[in-house]
Amino acid sequence: AQKITQTQPGMFVQEKEAVTLDCTYDTSDPSYGLFWYKQPSSGEMIFLIYQGSYDQQNATEGRYSLNFQKARKSANLVISASQLGDSAMYFCAMREDNNDMRFGAGTRLTVKP
Amino acid sequence: ETGVTQTPRHLVMGMTNKKSLKCEQHLGHNAMYWYKQSAKKPLELMFVYSLEERVENNSVPSRFSPECPNSSHLFLHLHTLQPEDSALYLCASSQARDNTYEQYFGPGTRLTVT
Repeated sequence: AQKITQTQPGMFVQEKEAVTLDCTYDTSDPSYGLFWYKQPSSGEMIFLIYQGSYDQQNATEGRYSLNFQKARKSANLVISASQLGDSAMYFCAMREDNNDMRFGAGTRLTVKP
Repeated sequence: ETGVTQTPRHLVMGMTNKKSLKCEQHLGHNAMYWYKQSAKKPLELMFVYSLEERVENNSVPSRFSPECPNSSHLFLHLHTLQPEDSALYLCASSQARDNTYEQYFGPGTRLTVT
């Protein structure tokens, strides 16, 4: 069963604007971690941000923030002030206790100048 | 520089060849992973090693054989592969097998089986 769903195969954003990449997940485990990764065309997966299921506040890392809505099982990534270098594939992932990381299908973000 | 290196970066091999992919992590982590990334498919976990012991094999065909001689090195031995095995193979490491620890990835080996 699909555990991580990213419904946007591709997204476009104008440089300097904010963009939200959607991610929903499915779990019955009360303890889990949510992760976002960026994959440029070079292929390397770059860790961006982490949110724990028990964390009360939304995670933030520089221009990245995670809009965590636990009841909706949603973990959207918000990128503020988009830059041309943000163009890449973005993957949402979840890791439950006693299970390894599962990845979504990804969203390709294109930043327009 | 992510602290995880992979060699080679590109590999073309015939179906009868034997080759090995190498991964090395310089982060002092205790867990290492092999993933396969095919076009239009989510990342697939292949193998997990924790403290040099294999803890998970997600029904990967026996033509893929992992080896973890120590906590810093991970190999993926390949033999008699099929064209559908062409993909990007990513190695990753994490401090521990725990849902609070992120995984750090290497740059990947792009494998083409002819």
